[in-house]
Amino acid sequence: SYELTQPLSVSVALGQTATITCGGDNIGGENVHWYQQKPGQAPVLVIFRDSNRPSGIPERFSGSNSGNTATLTISRAQAGDEAGYYCQVWDSTYVLFGGGTKLTVL
Amino acid sequence: QVQLQESGPGLVKPSQTLSLTCTVSGGSISSGGYYWSWIRQHPGKGLEWIGYIHNSGTTYYNPSLKSRVTMSVDASKNQFSLKLSSVTAADTAVYYCARANYEGAMDVWGQGTTVTVSS
Repeated sequence: SYELTQPLSVSVALGQTATITCGGDNIGGENVHWYQQKPGQAPVLVIFRDSNRPSGIPERFSGSNSGNTATLTISRAQAGDEAGYYCQVWDSTYVLFGGGTKLTVL
Repeated sequence: QVQLQESGPGLVKPSQTLSLTCTVSGGSISSGGYYWSWIRQHPGKGLEWIGYIHNSGTTYYNPSLKSRVTMSVDASKNQFSLKLSSVTAADTAVYYCARANYEGAMDVWGQGTTVTVSS
């Protein structure tokens, strides 16, 4: 069965760039969406269709997708970016989430 | 803008059926061709897709839960619902409803509701 693999945790220094990966077999051929989830809150869509930001999401959030890896990049990381991040793919009959990555801002 | 709100019992006994409703406000559940979804999150764990129901009535369920899941839409009440039968403690989780577009991006989420399965 298809799986999406994310690192359990990523750390980034305040003001630096964080990179969170999502691995999957030929994931570059899929539309990948990314969600941010803070403790006790519902997830929020931060990137859709690999690299597009919904309105209200800062430009600091960007995404890419190629080959076997999709990537969420958070530039100039802020304390408020500390959260769980999940990648997700969809094939109209099935939805799959990655296991999630805990981002710590140091 | 569209908002979603889950409702239902917070405590369900083992072997019984978990029933949740998601009320859509700020827009019609019948318009836009969206996929109305249920997702759950076990304590301290990641997101698990349960299934979705499309405006057309088409449903798709997570294969691991398919035998126990039923979803429906009540357009007159602007609501969609989840039923999960024969629950066990393993079904204890926060349950979210969400709206997904044609690409599967879930752009609107409910706040989530905690369901505990215990006698």
